[in-house]
Amino acid sequence: GENVEQHPSTLSVQEGDSAVIKCTYSDSASNYFPWYKQELGKGPQLIIDIRSNVGEKKDQRIAVTLNKTAKHFSLHITETQPEDSAVYFCAASIGTFGKGTKLSVIP
Amino acid sequence: DVKVTQSSRYLVKRTGEKVFLECVQDMDHENMFWYRQDPGLGLRLIYFSYDVKMKEKGDIPEGYSVSREKKERFSLILESASTNQTSMYLCASSFTPGMASTNEKLLFGSGTQLSVL
Repeated sequence: GENVEQHPSTLSVQEGDSAVIKCTYSDSASNYFPWYKQELGKGPQLIIDIRSNVGEKKDQRIAVTLNKTAKHFSLHITETQPEDSAVYFCAASIGTFGKGTKLSVIP
Repeated sequence: DVKVTQSSRYLVKRTGEKVFLECVQDMDHENMFWYRQDPGLGLRLIYFSYDVKMKEKGDIPEGYSVSREKKERFSLILESASTNQTSMYLCASSFTPGMASTNEKLLFGSGTQLSVL
């Protein structure tokens, strides 16, 4: 089955800096790559997603890039704010999630 | 406001008990999912359903079963709860327009923290 690896597991950045989280996947047939944000005490919430026919997608301060040849995709958050502090999960294929990245934005 | 509702936020059960976790969605979504979330292991898929009375095993179905008698409700059943089933359980639903994959744009509930003593 699909295997998704996510790095780093924890990430601390200063407010205003950028944060990058990377995921690799194993199944070349995967064609949909979402990112979810989970705040404390809540369920994960979809923040951005990308399909395999697109290389990059941006939504305000958040962007996702996809390299199908290398089978990896990344989440980029620019101008980080304290409210960006959360656990972020990537996913690929049906139901396969990465193990998560705990992002801390230091004011 | 559309949502996925899980019946209990916290649940404490004894080893060997039969446990029901309930999930209801109000968006007329075809697809519903059950995940468990454990520290360091992320989210792991237990079962999913793409239609009423239909079910598919996920990555870790052992020790669990599911029921989907109505489109809006998806139940996770622990036939005989064990301590290693202590976990956060998350329900999700999705809508599949056209040829989209069933796992697209999942909408999650807030989770049920189950403790088995």
